[in-house]
Amino acid sequence: KQEVTQIPAALSVPEGENLVLNCSFTDSAIYNLQWFRQDPGKGLTSLLLIQSSQREQTSGRLNASLDKSSGRSTLYIAASQPGDSATYLCAATGNQFYFGTGTSLTVIP
Amino acid sequence: GAGVSQSPSNKVTEKGKDVELRCDPISGHTALYWYRQSLGQGLEFLIYFQGNSAPDKSGLPSDRFSAERTGGSVSTLTIQRTQQEDSAVYLCASSLMSGENSPLHFGNGTRLTVT
Repeated sequence: KQEVTQIPAALSVPEGENLVLNCSFTDSAIYNLQWFRQDPGKGLTSLLLIQSSQREQTSGRLNASLDKSSGRSTLYIAASQPGDSATYLCAATGNQFYFGTGTSLTVIP
Repeated sequence: GAGVSQSPSNKVTEKGKDVELRCDPISGHTALYWYRQSLGQGLEFLIYFQGNSAPDKSGLPSDRFSAERTGGSVSTLTIQRTQQEDSAVYLCASSLMSGENSPLHFGNGTRLTVT
């Protein structure tokens, strides 16, 4: 069974810092890797999807990378802002979507 | 609709009662998923529908839980004889199809509280 782990569980940074969130998965036979953010009391919002054949995807200040062979993905956030504060989850797609437990990010003004 | 719609947004029920949670996926999406998220926990997979195929029910925690998807669109998750441990946010998601380039889109969830 696919197991997805996210480190760290929580992260607090001052505004303006660049940061990296980590996601690891045990089974490299995935269709894609998707990153989400979740605000308190809300559902999940899709940020980036990396297909299994791709190495990275970029959207604005966000860059996600995928290394299937090592079972790792990273989400890089440049020039963090207080509005980036949320929980970030990654999901590896096989027969279904397998989620990590998330990283809770706080950006301090 | 523009996104995945779930109703009700909040539901408070007494222990032992049955509840029904509804999900309207994005139009044209063939894959539909139900997840449960307990306070401070990750997402727990419950059930998955893909087109007309038999659903993957492997995540349902007990026989008190069941789900249907009528006409390949709307889905209803039913919890019978609710217990306090059923209290959680129930999230529905849909994607165009299962597979490589089909991102998952979530609704805002139904917060279920069993008293």
